[in-house]
Amino acid sequence: AQTVTQSQPEMSVQEAETVTLSCTYDTSENNYYLFWYKQPPSRQMILVIRQEAYKQQNATENRFSVNFQKAAKSFSLKISDSQLGDTAMYFCAFKRGSTLGRLYFGRGTQLTVWP
Amino acid sequence: SAVISQKPSRDICQRGTSLTIQCQVDSQVTMMFWYRQQPGQSLTLIATANQGSEATYESGFVIDKFPISRPNLTFSTLTVSNMSPEDSSIYLCSVKVRGSSNPYNEQFFGPGTRLTVL
Repeated sequence: AQTVTQSQPEMSVQEAETVTLSCTYDTSENNYYLFWYKQPPSRQMILVIRQEAYKQQNATENRFSVNFQKAAKSFSLKISDSQLGDTAMYFCAFKRGSTLGRLYFGRGTQLTVWP
Repeated sequence: SAVISQKPSRDICQRGTSLTIQCQVDSQVTMMFWYRQQPGQSLTLIATANQGSEATYESGFVIDKFPISRPNLTFSTLTVSNMSPEDSSIYLCSVKVRGSSNPYNEQFFGPGTRLTVL
């Protein structure tokens, strides 16, 4: 079975600063995908960034980047130049490589960005 | 991507009643999923809604409690039956979009339905 662990229930950061959210996972699969989703108070789940396990290069999307350590099964999210609109619950998620793979979610990290 | 709508957006229901939640997508999708998010918790998959056949339920969820329909490739319903306060949650519809434009088989989520059972 796949498990996803987010050990930080809450984080806070000052606007314009950088914050890193941690995620670890456990799997015996070799082909899989990892995702970070954001859920603001509106409840809408928004995909922030994705990573293919077979790619060594860390994914980057504007202010969002990941540190993917496959051997350590670690997948942290770095948010640079934090903005007030980044305040949300962030979920790390895992999907097996097969097209029918379901998403497995961590428990989430509530990030608050302070002015 | 896909635009997903859910109805109702929220509801307050009495114990013992049932509520049907609708999920409508603006394009044909390969797979539709229903998730539950209990207060302060992560998302848990209830079932995969299969077009033209019975839904596939995850461990701990049964058809009698959460009947699901999927009459076509753009629409699905989830019913929460014989509700109790423990069913108070956000229920989210999620879809996978067809085609090579979605090589990750990325899942897109609806806005959710917030259910409170008194």
